[in-house]
Amino acid sequence: SQQGEEDPQALSIQEGENATMNCSYKTSINNLQWYRQNSGRGLVHLILIRSNEREKHSGRLRVTLDTSKKSSSLLITASRAADTASYFCATEGANAGKSTFGDGTTLTVKP
Amino acid sequence: NAGVTQTPKFQVLKTGQSMTLQCAQDMNHNSMYWYRQDPGMGLRLIYYSASEGTTDKGEVPNGYNVSRLNKREFSLRLESAAPSQTSVYFCASSEQGASGRQDTQYFGPGTRLTVL
Repeated sequence: SQQGEEDPQALSIQEGENATMNCSYKTSINNLQWYRQNSGRGLVHLILIRSNEREKHSGRLRVTLDTSKKSSSLLITASRAADTASYFCATEGANAGKSTFGDGTTLTVKP
Repeated sequence: NAGVTQTPKFQVLKTGQSMTLQCAQDMNHNSMYWYRQDPGMGLRLIYYSASEGTTDKGEVPNGYNVSRLNKREFSLRLESAAPSQTSVYFCASSEQGASGRQDTQYFGPGTRLTVL
């Protein structure tokens, strides 16, 4: 079974709006990573956040981690049509060295 | 730098045929991974290799074998392909940080495999 589960499964917004997607997990983690996948392509790394961190930023991306709730959120501000993609969270559990992926959130940004 | 490369990009097999998927990375990473992705789903780990000479099973290893040929190359073999193995296969590599913790994974473009 998957460790991380993204919510919502699908999200459709207008260009310029913010998009928020969430990831929940079940057991303690070393780190949590967010990836983007454009249709028919491989995954591209966005942000890695470690278990002792609470928030990280990268350009228009903001990731938060709440280890007490076992959840993370990815915020994309001022979205663009080019942000249309699937977004996955991946958690590295206590058994370090490998990650478990969720089933992803499919984001559609309408121009 | 090419990053992570995979061959072939597409493959069609008949049930019972065998094939090897090749993966190579030029980033001098210790760890390499093989995943499969079924339609509308996330990635599931098949096998991984924390370092040259070691391999370990992931979540869905049945029907697959792997070889870590050297630090650069990690191959995935299907000995007797089945329709249930129709999927997109991704190879990835990463460095390991302190205490063996995983760092960012870099993915190849994928191999689209159809088993008839």
